[in-house]
Amino acid sequence: AQTVTQSQPEMSVQEAETVTLSCTYDTSESNYYLFWYKQPPSRQMILVIRQEAYKQQNATENRFSVNFQKAAKSFSLKISDSQLGDTAMYFCAFMPNNAGNMLTFGGGTRLMVKP
Amino acid sequence: DGGITQSPKYLFRKEGQNVTLSCEQNLNHDAMYWYRQDPGQGLRLIYYSQIVNDFQKGDIAEGYSVSREKKESFPLTVTSAQKNPTAFYLCASSRRTSGRWGGDEQYFGPGTRLTVT
Repeated sequence: AQTVTQSQPEMSVQEAETVTLSCTYDTSESNYYLFWYKQPPSRQMILVIRQEAYKQQNATENRFSVNFQKAAKSFSLKISDSQLGDTAMYFCAFMPNNAGNMLTFGGGTRLMVKP
Repeated sequence: DGGITQSPKYLFRKEGQNVTLSCEQNLNHDAMYWYRQDPGQGLRLIYYSQIVNDFQKGDIAEGYSVSREKKESFPLTVTSAQKNPTAFYLCASSRRTSGRWGGDEQYFGPGTRLTVT
């Protein structure tokens, strides 16, 4: 079984600054996918970014990027130029390959962006 | 617009009553999932289904039941056997591409907040 750990229950950042959210995971799988989801106060889960483990290149989506360290089993999310709308819970999630697109979630990090 | 709908948004029930939460998707996705989320916590898998008329228990299936009679629908029943049913419930779906589960994202509905008193 896989486990996903987010060691920062809460974080805050000033608007326009950069913040990094940590995520580590434990698995014996060699091929898998990693995700960051955002849950704003509306509670709608929104995909932020997706990483394929067999790709060495870190995924990037506009202001969001990841630092994927496969050997260390680490998958951190960097948010650049933080905006008030980035205030949300952020969940890291692990998906093994060819397993019904099943997700295992971390416990989440609550991010507050301050004006 | 394609998406996932969950109804109702808020649901109140008396202890001892069964209650059914609706989840419908028009994305033509093969797989559907039910999660429970407690305050300040992550998502825990209740049940999932990869094909019509088949479903499997997740990590916390006790006190819950599901059905998958149609591809687009995956209702969840919270039974009176569930000891602590008050929670936020999220439904999700995902597609299989070219016959393979290839790491496609899960799409989520807006959720149902269930309160049992």
